[in-house]
Amino acid sequence: EAQVTQNPRYLITVTGKKLTVTCSQNMNHEYMSWYRQDPGLGLRQIYYSMNVEVTDKGDVPEGYKVSRKEKRNFPLILESPSPNQTSLYFCASSSNRDWQPQHFGDGTRLSIL
Amino acid sequence: AQSVSQHNHHVILSEAASLELGCNYSYGGTVNLFWYVQYPGQHLQLLLKYFSGDPLVKGIKGFEAEFIKSKFSFNLRKPSVQWSDTAEYFCAGRDGTDKLIFGTGTRLQVFP
Repeated sequence: EAQVTQNPRYLITVTGKKLTVTCSQNMNHEYMSWYRQDPGLGLRQIYYSMNVEVTDKGDVPEGYKVSRKEKRNFPLILESPSPNQTSLYFCASSSNRDWQPQHFGDGTRLSIL
Repeated sequence: AQSVSQHNHHVILSEAASLELGCNYSYGGTVNLFWYVQYPGQHLQLLLKYFSGDPLVKGIKGFEAEFIKSKFSFNLRKPSVQWSDTAEYFCAGRDGTDKLIFGTGTRLQVFP
């Protein structure tokens, strides 16, 4: 079954404690992306990747890092999380730069205290 | 930089009413436009997309959207909504880059 898997689904942590949200896709897609969703702000792209070792900033990259060492994985790293990074995060993948179709993961709800 | 605007933040309708959700984009060149729907507790699903050709695009679940280049608009329409259409709707656009820009979303509530 084609899917994008994010872990964890829920996480409550404290300011400054490094965390990683994993994202894995089994469709051999070149394109992967991370979004955050906040009430009243919609989805905002954090980072995206066009292929292994190729990443670029989205609209809100500050405070985040990503890596793309393997095609299937695109982890999101918060080196020093802060409360303003409390949000719902979605990973997505696509086979093309048109992002169509775009397959989304089920989301990760992060709470930074 | 490209931007996508949705001016209706919250829309409340009764079943069978007609729906039109506004979407405006800022990019002047070739643009690809999309509407996504997010049902409560679920991730986004694509409703329809416009790349080129016929500006009236038909999507799933009876939705359609019209690309009006002169107005930089891509409004979503449905002639008769159902309670099951209660969801959040996002317009998105892509210019010549690989970035996909989303609007802030419109929350639709349909009452029986």
